Amino acid sequence: KAGVTQTPRYLIKTRGQQVTLSCSPISGHRSVSWYQQTPGQGLQFLFEYFSETQRNKGNFPGRFSGRQFSNSRSEMNVSTLELGDSALYLCASRGGVSYEQYFGPGTRLTVT
Amino acid sequence: GEDVEQSLFLSVREGDSSVINCTYTDSSSTYLYWYKQEPGAGLQLLTYIFSNMDMKQDQRLTVLLNKKDKHLSLRIADTQTGDSAIYFCAEINTNDYKLSFGAGTTVTVRA
Repeated sequence: KAGVTQTPRYLIKTRGQQVTLSCSPISGHRSVSWYQQTPGQGLQFLFEYFSETQRNKGNFPGRFSGRQFSNSRSEMNVSTLELGDSALYLCASRGGVSYEQYFGPGTRLTVT
Repeated sequence: GEDVEQSLFLSVREGDSSVINCTYTDSSSTYLYWYKQEPGAGLQLLTYIFSNMDMKQDQRLTVLLNKKDKHLSLRIADTQTGDSAIYFCAEINTNDYKLSFGAGTTVTVRA
């Protein structure tokens, strides 16, 4: 089975721009969660989608949004980028009633 | 709320055992996890333990759980250079499936 894939792997954007990141979960998994990893704050939960519905959201501003498609692929959008948004963005895939979450390789976003 | 704490660094000689410790606070946790992150990579799920268990062994990995003290440890037997990485302890909130991570323990394996 293919693992979780994330595209692109690297992005460089300028302050004020917006960015869209993509995550394809493991085949058959319907839950996708997004996490932000920074040296200062560590790993923080952004949101979780299940069957195209956002079920939970972390403590991030409204500039961070996401969606999930009928094939379970998920996108995350950050608008009006700030320097502090520079981070590794990880998505995690979970299937059925399992509590195992499998992570993708991440997208490294650099905001200049 | 959830709060997971880990020591930040561990240096171990190749061939020795490594023990990484973690404490958590969420009494409703049902699963506790260990993830490994190598430079430039995502998180690799190493192992996990259900909170009604005391121990789980998986090849070179042994997880010990002390529920009373909310203490979790990961022992890596016969540590190899490929085990050099950051190890994250995490607990899950079963109400929302949100993982709460510790800050990570950087393990350095020296020859």
